[in-house]
Amino acid sequence: EDQVTQSPEALRLQEGESSSLNCSYTVSGLRGLFWYRQDPGKGPEFLFTLYSAGEEKEKERLKATLTKKESFLHITAPKPEDSATYLCAVDGGSEKLVFGKGTKLTVNP
Amino acid sequence: KAGVTQTPRYLIKTRGQQVTLSCSPISGHRSVSWYQQTPGQGLQFLFEYFSETQRNKGNFPGRFSGRQFSNSRSEMNVSTLELGDSALYLCASSIGQSNSPLHFGNGTRLTVT
Repeated sequence: EDQVTQSPEALRLQEGESSSLNCSYTVSGLRGLFWYRQDPGKGPEFLFTLYSAGEEKEKERLKATLTKKESFLHITAPKPEDSATYLCAVDGGSEKLVFGKGTKLTVNP
Repeated sequence: KAGVTQTPRYLIKTRGQQVTLSCSPISGHRSVSWYQQTPGQGLQFLFEYFSETQRNKGNFPGRFSGRQFSNSRSEMNVSTLELGDSALYLCASSIGQSNSPLHFGNGTRLTVT
């Protein structure tokens, strides 16, 4: 069964303090790893898809990387508006996404 | 391009009642998936429909059902509501190809009292 574990559960940063979120996964055959951002009271917003180990994707202050066992979401010089819950999900070939429980990021000004 | 639309945004129901939630996908998307989100369990997969056929189903009891119409709009129904069914129900659409990203609506917040 596909499994996704995200760490830490919560992370507090000062504005400008860079850090990384971790997503560890277990799948029989990875078809894709997805990162989402979820703001309170809203649905998850798609950020990135990564398909194979070594792949990287960037968007503004966010950079996602992928290895055979985990993915990292690097946040460079975060701003308060980056505060949200970040979700990781995998498509292991079962025609559904399996989600981790997320990392709640708070960026203080 | 309009996003995924879910109605209603909020619902309050009593134990034993039934409820129907509605989802309009992004234009051109043929796949609709439903997820239940709770603080303790996170996002749990309910089912996925593609071209009016259920392609996949999660580990939820038969009280949870869904359907998809020819215009790709989807509904999910929960019968005999229980307190534990209180959750945010999220609908997501995609083009339906393997490993294509899901695009979520803002959900329906269901409270069962």
